[in-house]
Amino acid sequence: DAGVIQSPRHEVTEMGQEVTLRCKPISGHNSLFWYRQTMMRGLELLIYFNNNVPIDDSGMPEDRFSAKMPNASFSTLKIQPSEPRDSAVYFCASSRISGTAQETQYFGPGTRLLVL
Amino acid sequence: QKEVEQNSGPLSVPEGAIASLNCTYSDRGSQSFFWYRQYSGKSPELIMFIYSNGDKEDGRFTAQLNKASQYVSLLIRDSQPSDSATYLCAVSPPSGGSYIPTFGRGTSLIVHP
Repeated sequence: DAGVIQSPRHEVTEMGQEVTLRCKPISGHNSLFWYRQTMMRGLELLIYFNNNVPIDDSGMPEDRFSAKMPNASFSTLKIQPSEPRDSAVYFCASSRISGTAQETQYFGPGTRLLVL
Repeated sequence: QKEVEQNSGPLSVPEGAIASLNCTYSDRGSQSFFWYRQYSGKSPELIMFIYSNGDKEDGRFTAQLNKASQYVSLLIRDSQPSDSATYLCAVSPPSGGSYIPTFGRGTSLIVHP
């Protein structure tokens, strides 16, 4: 299994530009999570999908952030317009619901975003 | 607000010693507890999970859970330099059959030869 795939791995952009991060979850997993990690705030959950439906987006910091999951094998996280304070590592993770419990989350390699 | 607290460290131990990492949590209803290891520049990787009070052992790793005191710990026996990493504690309550874990900010562990 290829694991969770994220692209791009690195992104450098200028303030005000649109940034799109992409994620392909592990085949057969039906839950997908977007996280942001910084030194100051640690690992923060941004949004969580179950069966392609957003369940909890309370962690999305502002309206500048949006996420979609058009099908079971693809999700995007978009920042428009981007700001320097958005600089962080963005992780996508996936897991599978088994019965009434979530199984282990598997993390992708992350996208390192730098907004100048 | 759910909180998960960890000492940021770094915790420095000599090779072969026992490393003890601690985590406290605020939500008394929490049911699932996880330890992730994150090497510098890499993504978190699950190494242990525990649901019941007591100890759970897996190789050199032992997770200890005390729900009454609201803490969970990770012991690493015979520590190796390759164990040097940041260890993240994650805690999740039951929530309608699915969970959204809260992560601590991690403890940096350094195992020196």
